[in-house]
Amino acid sequence: NAGVMQNPRHLVRRRGQEARLRCSPMKGHSHVYWYRQLPEEGLKFMVYLQKENIIDESGMPKERFSAEFPKEGPSILRIQQVVRGDSAAYFCASSLQAKEETQYFGPGTRLLVL
Amino acid sequence: GENVEQHPSTLSVQEGDSAVIKCTYSDSASNYFPWYKQELGKRPQLIIDIRSNVGEKKDQRIAVTLNKTAKHFSLHITETQPEDSAVYFCAFQTGANNLFFGTGTRLTVIP
Repeated sequence: NAGVMQNPRHLVRRRGQEARLRCSPMKGHSHVYWYRQLPEEGLKFMVYLQKENIIDESGMPKERFSAEFPKEGPSILRIQQVVRGDSAAYFCASSLQAKEETQYFGPGTRLLVL
Repeated sequence: GENVEQHPSTLSVQEGDSAVIKCTYSDSASNYFPWYKQELGKRPQLIIDIRSNVGEKKDQRIAVTLNKTAKHFSLHITETQPEDSAVYFCAFQTGANNLFFGTGTRLTVIP
């Protein structure tokens, strides 16, 4: 029973490039959450998706960031025209249900913007 | 807005002693409170959680207590071991179902 999978594990981009982060939830999980963690800080919620729908994107910057969770395939977090401040670890989590349900985290993608 | 205060930010204990981490939250409607352990460079891992229909939950050396009236919950680790050294995060689930995390406690267990 594979856990939450994320790739790539490490991603280096130059300023202005695009970053595309992928997350495959645990088998049977249809709820996906993306969190960002800056060095030495806690995790900050970005976006919550259910298959083909964005449920809550209140934590995601309005510009340059987008997320999707298509019917087939992994969830994608896309960052356009990256800036140095985007350097962080991006974790996705999945859960079986939404309310009061354990969220299982993936290993994260560490994005470094040069 | 939503907020959670976590104390202390760092904690050092001798091996075998107990460690206690406390969190105070803002969302009185929250009913789910997980605790995560994160080792350096690794993913957050759930160690214990509590739902508002109970006041205390225990799993071997780890226990969590919840006081909904005072809006605070605590993590207790007994008989600490060096492998307990990590950063611990409290969290609560918001009405929108995402988790709001504390700022973390770096626990060091000294052999």
